[in-house]
Amino acid sequence: QQQVKQSPQSLIVQKGGISIINCAYENTAFDYFPWYQQFPGKGPALLIAIRPDVSEKKEGRFTISFNKSAKQFSLHIMDSQPGDSATYFCAASDITDSWGKFQFGAGTQVVVTP
Amino acid sequence: GAGVSQSPSNKVTEKGKDVELRCDPISGHTALYWYRQSLGQGLEFLIYFQGNSAPDKSGLPSDRFSAERTGGSVSTLTIQRTQQEDSAVYLCASSFQGLTEAFFGQGTRLTVV
Repeated sequence: QQQVKQSPQSLIVQKGGISIINCAYENTAFDYFPWYQQFPGKGPALLIAIRPDVSEKKEGRFTISFNKSAKQFSLHIMDSQPGDSATYFCAASDITDSWGKFQFGAGTQVVVTP
Repeated sequence: GAGVSQSPSNKVTEKGKDVELRCDPISGHTALYWYRQSLGQGLEFLIYFQGNSAPDKSGLPSDRFSAERTGGSVSTLTIQRTQQEDSAVYLCASSFQGLTEAFFGQGTRLTVV
């Protein structure tokens, strides 16, 4: 059973627009929520991550919003650029188990048009 | 090394053959993870090492899959009697003691024909 559900499966956004990807999780033991960016033929690269003690974290054009009560978190990509075209994965782990033992979402393919 | 290194980058094998996939983690990283990424799918956890021990093998899909780690560094994932459904990208990640973010290698694309 999928413990982390990610949507949408794909999205197309114009350059300068906002990309929003949503994830929902089931396991309340999860306490570390990273987003990974993956380009074709490459391994996933950590983009940004959040712990549940904060509701929002921003790094440059990337923001995570976290809603603990709803068990949901989302990634917002502001001022989307063609170079942001990639597949994005949300993930969750229980750091008392192991930081890097993740349940991943199914991924969102983002295409940014010029 | 500077990053997680995996070899080979691509492997084509015949059904029924055994394959070995290698992962060389970031120097000093004691935690090592194997994941599988099937076409169009998310990443599926396979096994986790802390040092040379594997406290969690729960993701290994069958007894044809095994992994070992020696010297607290390099790990090898072995798939015996490969099947076509084993075709996927196998990714390795490492983390400092399993207490910090995990960094992924480029993966090994395995194709079973």
